[in-house]
Amino acid sequence: SQQGEEDPQALSIQEGENATMNCSYKTSINNLQWYRQNSGRGLVHLILIRSNEREKHSGRLRVTLDTSKKSSSLLITASRAADTASYFCALTGQAGTALIFGKGTTLSVSS
Amino acid sequence: DAGVIQSPRHEVTEMGQEVTLRCKPISGHDYLFWYRQTMMRGLELLIYFNNNVPIDDSGMPEDRFSAKMPNASFSTLKIQPSEPRDSAVYFCASRTGFGELFFGEGSRLTVL
Repeated sequence: SQQGEEDPQALSIQEGENATMNCSYKTSINNLQWYRQNSGRGLVHLILIRSNEREKHSGRLRVTLDTSKKSSSLLITASRAADTASYFCALTGQAGTALIFGKGTTLSVSS
Repeated sequence: DAGVIQSPRHEVTEMGQEVTLRCKPISGHDYLFWYRQTMMRGLELLIYFNNNVPIDDSGMPEDRFSAKMPNASFSTLKIQPSEPRDSAVYFCASRTGFGELFFGEGSRLTVL
């Protein structure tokens, strides 16, 4: 299956804490992407990491990719209440096939 | 650009009726995707197009579902006849090459 699996399914933290979400997959990939979805809205792209990259940063986000373990992690530092959302990883296969999404991690950040 | 535009945003219909969902992708994007999201099954890929040609429709649940992309700026997803289990949020998304996907706000379908 090309589907990524996020872990944990749900995460509750306090403002200012860091949040870490993981994604595991089983196939070879071209790239792995992370998306955020606020309740009732469409998904919004956060960051893309290619199969030959190990780490990328974007603001308070840090993504790592370990292709030998077929896993990725998304770290949100100094979380805010506004980070409350569901977070999804999505895979693009090596042939450039479509993005398949996992079931997501629901993050709740309380103030 | 206005982003990916979907219509209608909400649709309530009765079982057996035909439902047509519409999508206008971002200009210049060569891939268009239709996804369905439910609590139970998460975000499922239904079908995707490249340069208006359907590439993979293996996610379309049944023959009741059909999708078309007559030109680069318009796509439809049709359900005929609709059933209560089709109730979900349907998302359209577009992209260029293998890059990031841009999602519309979704069409929330309720079949009574």
